[in-house]
Amino acid sequence: GENVEQHPSTLSVQEGDSAVIKCTYSDSASNYFPWYKQELGKRPQLIIDIRSNVGEKKDQRIAVTLNKTAKHFSLHITETQPEDSAVYFCAASSLNRDDKIIFGKGTRLHILP
Amino acid sequence: KAGVTQTPRYLIKTRGQQVTLSCSPISGHRSVSWYQQTPGQGLQFLFEYFSETQRNKGNFPGRFSGRQFSNSRSEMNVSTLELGDSALYLCASSSLGQLGQETQYFGPGTRLLVL
Repeated sequence: GENVEQHPSTLSVQEGDSAVIKCTYSDSASNYFPWYKQELGKRPQLIIDIRSNVGEKKDQRIAVTLNKTAKHFSLHITETQPEDSAVYFCAASSLNRDDKIIFGKGTRLHILP
Repeated sequence: KAGVTQTPRYLIKTRGQQVTLSCSPISGHRSVSWYQQTPGQGLQFLFEYFSETQRNKGNFPGRFSGRQFSNSRSEMNVSTLELGDSALYLCASSSLGQLGQETQYFGPGTRLLVL
């Protein structure tokens, strides 16, 4: 069945450095890739998303890249800040088919002072 | 606007029992999706309801069911509870359920513990 692999499961970066989280998906029909941030004890929140007709999307310090050929996509956070500490989930879905969304298992990002 | 609300927030049940969880979407939202979150499996999609009809379903056994009322409030039911059903159950609402076109807003979740 469809699967989304997310790496790493845990990531620690120095404040101010960049963080990169990578996901791969198995369903070639996937064409929508959202990223969610979940702070400790809080609900997931959509932070950025990308569709398959775009290779990269940026929103301030956050960017997402997509390689459809290789079936992988990545989240890049630059100039990391303490409030970036959270669990990040990637997901893949096919908007044209059934809208089922498959999540990665999450990456716990620690920003070190 | 009030956000997505879920009740109860915490629940303890024993194996074999059944449980009903409730989700009230943001006013005006007609789509409600349910997710299960566990440390081992992460976030998994259960099902989506739109205008009182189940529109999408994830890969969960028939013990997991749901419904949606005319006011868009939704309930999910888990029968014959198993230890592995212990999880945080999240619901999310959006206006039309058009993934990618609009943002889904998550509720705070119901934490279920099965003993």
